[in-house]
Amino acid sequence: KAGVTQTPRYLIKTRGQQVTLSCSPISGHRSVSWYQQTPGQGLQFLFEYFSETQRNKGNFPGRFSGRQFSNSRSEMNVSTLELGDSALYLCASSLGTVKIKGEKLFFGSGTQLSVL
Amino acid sequence: DAKTTQPPSMDCAEGRAANLPCNHSTISGNEYVYWYRQIHSQGPQYIIHGLKNNETNEMASLIITEDRKSSTLILPHATLRDTAVYYCIASETGANNLFFGTGTRLTVIP
Repeated sequence: KAGVTQTPRYLIKTRGQQVTLSCSPISGHRSVSWYQQTPGQGLQFLFEYFSETQRNKGNFPGRFSGRQFSNSRSEMNVSTLELGDSALYLCASSLGTVKIKGEKLFFGSGTQLSVL
Repeated sequence: DAKTTQPPSMDCAEGRAANLPCNHSTISGNEYVYWYRQIHSQGPQYIIHGLKNNETNEMASLIITEDRKSSTLILPHATLRDTAVYYCIASETGANNLFFGTGTRLTVIP
């Protein structure tokens, strides 16, 4: 079974640009979560999508957005990039049904975004 | 989710057991204790989780105290590849808005 796939692996952008990152979850997983990891703030939750709907959102500005497609693949978008957006962006998938307690998250290798 | 407290770093000799402690004194009855680890430049990897009873899998053992206020992750025979940051997380669902904290940086020494 293929794991969580994130593309691209590395990305360099300049301030003011926008960027779109892609995540393909494990087959059969319906929930996709996004996390930002920086040396200063550690791993921080961005948002979670389930069945094409945002189910949970972290404390990030509106420049950060996402969506999920009917095949559970997800994209996140960051508009008007700032230097502080340089980070490792991680995607994780899970089965996603709220009836299951004690779920596990399966993470991709991440997209390393550098904003110059 | 309840906050957890972990030591910032630990060393362990290769081949010895690594015992990583975690304090979660405010954990609620519905919250599981999860352990993930992150090897440099990779995404976190699930290790184990438990609610009340001790758990063991092919990677590690999880010992949860009877009052559930603390737990210990045990890697029975640490190898160099176990060098990573280990995160202890308390969560009811295990999947939504996990708070990873700063974790414990485990260094396995040859």
